[in-house]
Amino acid sequence: QQQVKQSPQSLIVQKGGISIINCAYENTAFDYFPWYQQFPGKGPALLIAIRPDVSEKKEGRFTISFNKSAKQFSLHIMDSQPGDSATYFCAASIIQGAQKLVFGQGTRLTINP
Amino acid sequence: GAVVSQHPSWVICKSGTSVKIECRSLDFQATTMFWYRQFPKQSLMLMATSNEGSKATYEQGVEKDKFLINHASLTLSTLTVTSAHPEDSSFYICSASQEGPQHFGDGTRLSIL
Repeated sequence: QQQVKQSPQSLIVQKGGISIINCAYENTAFDYFPWYQQFPGKGPALLIAIRPDVSEKKEGRFTISFNKSAKQFSLHIMDSQPGDSATYFCAASIIQGAQKLVFGQGTRLTINP
Repeated sequence: GAVVSQHPSWVICKSGTSVKIECRSLDFQATTMFWYRQFPKQSLMLMATSNEGSKATYEQGVEKDKFLINHASLTLSTLTVTSAHPEDSSFYICSASQEGPQHFGDGTRLSIL
């Protein structure tokens, strides 16, 4: 019940295309859903996050779509660029308390020029 | 803002030695720090959560006596891998939180020969 399932494991998108990564969770107590971007040899960097009281959040080319009833959320990267090539992790936590994050398995995104 | 520094970035040592990794929050006071372990092409696995001045809370399956965590101040936490063996080789990442999102360090690549 603590798991967050992420798909696909890897994704190849042409430059300018839309990259879509999906996550699903079971624990209905989760109320904070961040996405992290990680480059090789670096720590994860917070990209964008959403709370379940909204269905969508957009920051620049990055959008989170959230479906509370389906317990699913997704990251959309518009106009994907080669510099977006990285590993992306979704995560979930309960905002109260220690904010312990449960991470998805990760998606290795490659943007072809 | 919200910079987390981790040191060293890479360490190679002989089997049986102990290795200390430092995690510092440079521009904020971290009420909670987290330690993760990441194997190649895998997700982050939480090892332990620590609050300043109190004992760390370890995740199930993580050996407390093997991975010593000290959170002596609001800006510094250390992870000591005691009597390290080749199977302890991994990428160790810390994060810090001030009652909000976690901010990650750039990780420490630990190689045990």
